[in-house]
Amino acid sequence: DVKVTQSSRYLVKRTGEKVFLECVQDMDHENMFWYRQDPGLGLRLIYFSYDVKMKEKGDIPEGYSVSREKKERFSLILESASTNQTSMYLCASSLGQETYNEQFFGPGTRLTVL
Amino acid sequence: RKEVEQDPGPFNVPEGATVAFNCTYSNSASQSFFWYRQDCRKEPKLLMSVYSSGNEDGRFTAQLNRASQYISLLIRDSKLSDSATYLCVVILTSYDKVIFGPGTSLSVIP
Repeated sequence: DVKVTQSSRYLVKRTGEKVFLECVQDMDHENMFWYRQDPGLGLRLIYFSYDVKMKEKGDIPEGYSVSREKKERFSLILESASTNQTSMYLCASSLGQETYNEQFFGPGTRLTVL
Repeated sequence: RKEVEQDPGPFNVPEGATVAFNCTYSNSASQSFFWYRQDCRKEPKLLMSVYSSGNEDGRFTAQLNRASQYISLLIRDSKLSDSATYLCVVILTSYDKVIFGPGTSLSVIP
């Protein structure tokens, strides 16, 4: 069974803190994605990766960075958290190089920045 | 204009009703289309792909209208378990771009 896990379900951080969100998939998928989901805005793509050590900016990369040192793990980093980064963060993975392959999502991390 | 738009609802329908959602997209180069379902406080999961000729999966029917640039999802004989948010997804393969709509909320009431 396909499994994407995220390190925390809920996280509370203070403004200016460095925040790490971890995502691990066990399906040997090439593609991994980080989204944030806000009411009325839907899922917005922050960064994605098609291979180890490879990353591409999505629609809203400002204030974020990513790391993919191993195929199964994709980390999202908030260098200096701000209150407007309070959101639900969802990680996803998909097989192969095609963008139209089904994406499998993790359970999400609800981040609150105070 | 947003790239993908959906009526946010909520759609409140009685059990057994038929309900339809539309999703409009702005880029005519869009090439692949999907419906995902997201239960409350859960992650999105693929419901079905949308093919040019239209496709059916049990009580669910998806259709694509390229001329008018919209896709639709029809749910027949609604069940309580169909209550969820339905996300439309548009793929621009040439640009390696995946765009999620904001979702339509459905509540099926007894």
